[in-house]
Amino acid sequence: EVQLVESGGGLVKPGGSLRLSCAASGFTFSNAWMSWVRQAPGRGLEWVGRIKSKPDGGTTDSAAPVKGRFTISRDDSKNTVYLQMNSLKAEDTAVYFCTSDQGIPAAPYFHHWGRGTLVTVSS
Amino acid sequence: SYELTQPPSVSVSPGQTASITCSGDKLGDKYASWYQQKPGQSPVVVIYQDTKRPSGIPERFSGSNSGNTATLTISGTQAMDEAAYYCQAWDSSTAVFGGGTKLTVL
Repeated sequence: EVQLVESGGGLVKPGGSLRLSCAASGFTFSNAWMSWVRQAPGRGLEWVGRIKSKPDGGTTDSAAPVKGRFTISRDDSKNTVYLQMNSLKAEDTAVYFCTSDQGIPAAPYFHHWGRGTLVTVSS
Repeated sequence: SYELTQPPSVSVSPGQTASITCSGDKLGDKYASWYQQKPGQSPVVVIYQDTKRPSGIPERFSGSNSGNTATLTISGTQAMDEAAYYCQAWDSSTAVFGGGTKLTVL
């Protein structure tokens, strides 16, 4: 059974930093492309970014609102993907979901989702 | 930046067919996916690559994509299908979601 478990959320002041983790199990993590998707309270889904598998280059892509502030990385030895969030703003307040991506490389879909972890940015 | 537009809400009677649209510039040239999200739960993919259903998704869910519009169709809608639905596509290595459609079954 595939499991994605996010952790690391919490309350942080504007301008602060936080690192989210997503522990994966039940599939070959090292071959998986992984994404982060967030959802502000009462709002829709917003893609944050993704990291490709190392065999596919291990490169990352990020959404414009977080580019330069958020960094995605992975540790295949721990089956874990990370989201380092710096210079946090109030508008980053959201539940952050980890997903495993599947399908064709040009248009993968978000196959498995974690339960999410809440990040609140407030003074 | 690329945008996907969905109607905020759609209503359907039980047993009837619900159609949820998603509009974007030349969306038909891209692949669309659809996600169902019930209150307090994580999203679930119901359609990917325009028309494909993941295992475990009922046959009453189907999708199409042509021109500027992708459509999610739910045939014989059931009360359990009441949820928010989001379309999604890729544009230049960036994933874009539509704003979501609240489907009410009444």
